Amino acid sequence: TQLLEQSPQFLSIQEGENLTVYCNSSSVFSSLQWYRQEPGEGPVLLVTVVTGGEVKKLKRLTFQFGDARKDSSLHITAAQPGDTGLYLCAVSNFGNEKLTFGTGTRLTIIP
Amino acid sequence: DADVTQTPRNRITKTGKRIMLECSQTKGHDRMYWYRQDPGLGLRLIYYSFDVKDINKGEISDGYSVSRQAQAKFSLSLESAIPNQTALYFCATSGPGYQPQHFGDGTRLSIL
Repeated sequence: TQLLEQSPQFLSIQEGENLTVYCNSSSVFSSLQWYRQEPGEGPVLLVTVVTGGEVKKLKRLTFQFGDARKDSSLHITAAQPGDTGLYLCAVSNFGNEKLTFGTGTRLTIIP
Repeated sequence: DADVTQTPRNRITKTGKRIMLECSQTKGHDRMYWYRQDPGLGLRLIYYSFDVKDINKGEISDGYSVSRQAQAKFSLSLESAIPNQTALYFCATSGPGYQPQHFGDGTRLSIL
């Protein structure tokens, strides 16, 4: 069974600060997706990464996929209250297109 | 209108009752999924279906059953609800391969 750990579990920072959250897997995966979930809603996709070492940027969010395909990070620059939410990573394995979700990082940006 | 619609949005019921949660989608996707979300445990897959004639168990299928009535409809049943099935339930759809999953807004289910 693949284990997917996200850290930290909770993070509360002031508006304007930078932050990084992490997603680590017990085994190699073929692709990784990051989702954000807001209260009362389902998760919404932010990005998909499929190549080891890949870096993708989405405005103030930078996503990095580890070279060994076992980890990923999400860096937010100059955090804003609208970034508040639950950030989930999810991985799929070669030959198996189901997603396994991490436990999430609950991020709160304080105005 | 939402692409993935779940009904009901909230439900409170008693132990032993049969409950059905429904999901419909307008995205034209073949793949549909049911997850439950518990604090500290993330999203866990209950059942999934890659087309109308395909039903597969996920990691926590015990106590649940599903029906894929059409490409657009996938329902989840709890035959005899128990309190530890209290959770937030999500339906999702996707296309093939690494395409993203599209989630409904969830059903908050409480079993007393």
